[in-house]
Amino acid sequence: KAGVTQTPRYLIKTRGQQVTLSCSPISGHRSVSWYQQTPGQGLQFLFEYFSETQRNKGNFPGRFSGRQFSNSRSEMNVSTLELGDSALYLCASSIQGGNTGELFFGEGSRLTVL
Amino acid sequence: QKEVEQDPGPLSVPEGAIVSLNCTYSNSAFQYFMWYRQYSRKGPELLMYTYSSGNKEDGRFTAQVDKSSKYISLFIRDSQPSDSATYLCAIGGSGYSTLTFGKGTMLLVSP
Repeated sequence: KAGVTQTPRYLIKTRGQQVTLSCSPISGHRSVSWYQQTPGQGLQFLFEYFSETQRNKGNFPGRFSGRQFSNSRSEMNVSTLELGDSALYLCASSIQGGNTGELFFGEGSRLTVL
Repeated sequence: QKEVEQDPGPLSVPEGAIVSLNCTYSNSAFQYFMWYRQYSRKGPELLMYTYSSGNKEDGRFTAQVDKSSKYISLFIRDSQPSDSATYLCAIGGSGYSTLTFGKGTMLLVSP
């Protein structure tokens, strides 16, 4: 059974640019969550999508957005990049999502903003 | 006070040692307690999942939950160099729409 796939794995951008990250969940999983991981703040929840609808949203500015497609694949976008956006962005899929389900994480997309 | 507190470490132990990793939490509404393990340059993977107070054992790993003290622990027996990773506690429950993660404790097991 294939795991969660995230692309690209590494990318370098400059301030002001925008970036789109992609996540393919495990087959049959309808929930996709996105997390930002930094050494200082740890894992911080960005948003969760379930059946193409944003179900929950973390405390991030509107520059961070996402969407989910009918095949459960998800994308997140960060516009007007800032230096502080440098982080590992992790996608996690689960059958039900929410606060009780087991999360299966991808290997992440490491974003460096110069 | 943060909802979940976890000592970042690093925690260095010799091979074969018993390791104790801990998290404290502030809200008694939490009901689900998990430990994730994250190797360098990898995503976290679920290691242990507990729902109630008490102990749950899986091989060399034991998860312990003390709801009265709002304290959770992960014990690793006969630690191996392959256990070297960052261990994150994660907590969830009714009233919380998502899991809340600790910042993780880095464990280094030397041969």
